[in-house]
Amino acid sequence: AQSVTQLGSHVSVSEGALVLLRCNYSSSVPPYLFWYVQYPNQGLQLLLKYTTGATLVKGINGFEAEFKKSETSFHLTKPSAHMSDAAEYFCAVILSSGSARQLTFGSGTQLTVLP
Amino acid sequence: GAVVSQHPSRVICKSGTSVKIECRSLDFQATTMFWYRQFPKQSLMLMATSNEGSKATYEQGVEKDKFLINHASLTLSTLTVTSAHPEDSSFYICSAREVGYEQYFGPGTRLTVT
Repeated sequence: AQSVTQLGSHVSVSEGALVLLRCNYSSSVPPYLFWYVQYPNQGLQLLLKYTTGATLVKGINGFEAEFKKSETSFHLTKPSAHMSDAAEYFCAVILSSGSARQLTFGSGTQLTVLP
Repeated sequence: GAVVSQHPSRVICKSGTSVKIECRSLDFQATTMFWYRQFPKQSLMLMATSNEGSKATYEQGVEKDKFLINHASLTLSTLTVTSAHPEDSSFYICSAREVGYEQYFGPGTRLTVT
């Protein structure tokens, strides 16, 4: 079975400060990992994904994440927060094998950016 | 590319009536579509997975007779909430997958049952 844990349901940072959103996963086989962003009353937008290859993944809007197998982590970072980054962020995992290929989501982290 | 639309974006219906939500893949053929439900301040909960031309697979605890899913073509899936009750009020999100693993999400439908 696969699972995702996002530490911190709410994170507040000042504009211009580092953003760090934490995600740990549990998977019996190599995982595919994703970060999505959701703005109020909207669907999910893919920020970035890790499947294979380079463990540091760069995404849209200046975000990046690093897959660390030894720590079973896939934390999301951005060097300098912008007001427009305020949103809900979800980490998700898919097992790389198996036919279902279903996404399992973390509980989400609400990011607040303070002026 | 890879755009998924949902219609309607918002719907209000009276208790006891049925409401249909459409999910369309606009520029690709979706062999698999997923329906999620999201309560306020919570994560997405997978309700069911549907493959074109076959019956949907429902997650445990989801009433298949209440949430009817039809995936009649490679670009359209529908979710019908039958005999809706206020507790069915939620944000419903669909996603579509062509091949492989990546899902593309629709913008969601806000259902309010009065």
